[in-house]
Amino acid sequence: QVQLQESGPGLVKPSQTLSLTCTVSGGSINSGDYYWSWIRQLPGKGLEWIGYIYYSGSPYYNPSLKSRVTISVDTSKNQFSLKLSSVTAADTAVYYCGRDVAATGMVDYWGQGTLVTVSS
Amino acid sequence: SYELTQPPSVSVSPGQTASITCSGDGLGDKYVSWYQQRPGQSPVLVIYQHNKRPSGIPERFSGSNSGNTATLTISGTQAMDEADYYCQAWGSNTARVFGTGTKVTVL
Repeated sequence: QVQLQESGPGLVKPSQTLSLTCTVSGGSINSGDYYWSWIRQLPGKGLEWIGYIYYSGSPYYNPSLKSRVTISVDTSKNQFSLKLSSVTAADTAVYYCGRDVAATGMVDYWGQGTLVTVSS
Repeated sequence: SYELTQPPSVSVSPGQTASITCSGDGLGDKYVSWYQQRPGQSPVLVIYQHNKRPSGIPERFSGSNSGNTATLTISGTQAMDEADYYCQAWGSNTARVFGTGTKVTVL
């Protein structure tokens, strides 16, 4: 059974960089069948796709966040990471990582989510 | 950018059928997935490739997709189906896009 677990600081100051890591267990991140995604949910709002990365390191980002987002992968640790720069209170959200099936665009496994609050 | 529109809320009586629509330009030509999210929980995939159910998802969940509209149908709705539902499709240039979300209330 594939499991994903987000980790990282729950509190980030405005203008700083939000950094999160997703650890994948029960399966290898080194698979050509999947993208590895970050998705967020603002308080009381809907889901927003942030971006994904392939195991080989080719990322693709939501155009609305592209200028501030970096997604990277560490296959040796079976992890992938998210960095979001110049954060503001509007970036306060629950951040999810997920396994995205490349051929169909569906996210079949999700992490439990981690709340990141942007506040001084 | 590509957008998917859903009704904010749908109400249904127990045992009846709930239909949730998702509208987007040319949606019928794209793969559509649906997710259920209960309060405080992560989303769960309930339909993929328009009308396929992952293992463990009850048969009462079904999907269709044609033209500019995809529909998630819950037949014989149960109290446990009360949740938020999101459609998702591939947008332009392989981006992923989520719908605006629909809150299903079982009265």
